Amino acid sequence: LAKTTQPISMDSYEGQEVNITCSHNNIATNDYITWYQQFPSQGPRFIIQGYKTKVTNEVASLFIPADRKSSTLSLPRVSLSDTAVYYCLVGDPQRGGNKLTFGTGTQLKVEL
Amino acid sequence: KAGVTQTPRYLIKTRGQQVTLSCSPISGHRSVSWYQQTPGQGLQFLFEYFSETQRNKGNFPGRFSGRQFSNSRSEMNVSTLELGDSALYLCASSLELSTATYEQYFGPGTRLTVT
Repeated sequence: LAKTTQPISMDSYEGQEVNITCSHNNIATNDYITWYQQFPSQGPRFIIQGYKTKVTNEVASLFIPADRKSSTLSLPRVSLSDTAVYYCLVGDPQRGGNKLTFGTGTQLKVEL
Repeated sequence: KAGVTQTPRYLIKTRGQQVTLSCSPISGHRSVSWYQQTPGQGLQFLFEYFSETQRNKGNFPGRFSGRQFSNSRSEMNVSTLELGDSALYLCASSLELSTATYEQYFGPGTRLTVT
């Protein structure tokens, strides 16, 4: 599985857009990029997954450049409830099965 | 649709004892994975079961074992508990492998404390 690097922490204010970047220089051809969110004492929650270019759902957008060596999770107009740890994962679900490898994640703190 | 349920939610055990944790996946999900989360090591993969067979295994000692039943419910067992086994144990379920997705649904976890 490709190693990922994310900022340890980020601070933001309510109503702002937050962009969290993940570096994955050795991503393989068949690897997907997946983001999870975790609140304290809860299990992680799937946010979004993508392979290339841009993916958008009702919660977030995922931007992936052509070389796929990094990706950016974009959270529009964050609120206090978005304070959580965000994990970037890279891997091939069809080869690796459902084994998720979590890094240290990014602690996002949203303030008023 | 009901989410992933785990029982018990909290557990206190003594060193040397064994413990069994239970997980009921979302209806229709056949894959169940287990993870251990500690402040020091973060989220670590334990094992995955699919159709009653262990399909993936993480780097944990043999004291950690699991099984899956025909209704997809899963149990994990830890024998000869050590203080370092104190952690939040998370279960996650997902659809079949062919969906080409890492979308898993996690339960609330079982908080195990070993004294």
